[in-house]
Amino acid sequence: DTGVSQDPRHKITKRGQNVTFRCDPISEHNRLYWYRQTLGQGPEFLTYFQNEAQLEKSRLLSDRFSAERPKGSFSTLEIQRTEQGDSAMYLCASSLDGRRSNEQFFGPGTRLTVL
Amino acid sequence: AQSVTQPDIHITVSEGASLELRCNYSYGATPYLFWYVQSPGQGLQLLLKYFSGDTLVQGIKGFEAEFKRSQSSFNLRKPSVHWSDAAEYFCAVGSGGGYQKVTFGTGTKLQVIP
Repeated sequence: DTGVSQDPRHKITKRGQNVTFRCDPISEHNRLYWYRQTLGQGPEFLTYFQNEAQLEKSRLLSDRFSAERPKGSFSTLEIQRTEQGDSAMYLCASSLDGRRSNEQFFGPGTRLTVL
Repeated sequence: AQSVTQPDIHITVSEGASLELRCNYSYGATPYLFWYVQSPGQGLQLLLKYFSGDTLVQGIKGFEAEFKRSQSSFNLRKPSVHWSDAAEYFCAVGSGGGYQKVTFGTGTKLQVIP
């Protein structure tokens, strides 16, 4: 069990640029979640995948945001035309279906700074 | 809708002193409750969880939490704080079931002084 990994750990970009983040969940986990955490706040749910299907999206996920999990393993989160308000820590988590408590295991996050 | 309130934004305790971090939740059914810890530059680590059974839950690093349904609370405690416990602590409530939608509180930052 190598844990959830995220890449890159830090990203600095200029307003208007597109960015893409990657999340590799724990290998046998079929559920994957994306959260956004801004300074002084707890993580806020963005979207959820079960295998390759995206089953829920938060209203926080504007049309500039898109997430994919093409083969039910790793996932990508893309932000198009970034804005300064997108600056945040983007967290990925995974969990395994069937476990009663559905504990989510979190990655270290990708910190995005939009200049 | 489920929600979590952590009334203390920042708490300072002396090393060796006891600690209690407050958490109140709002959820219509029996909640799944969690405490996570986040150190600078690190992801969230689960300290403990409650979903049924004994209302006093033991976690890692010597932490425990007590579920009180009548008060809608799930306070985190530790009898003796160590300097390495300085971090941010998040209480969270989940819906359980087949898909776990988790809602986090705003966090309590713990400072430990010598």
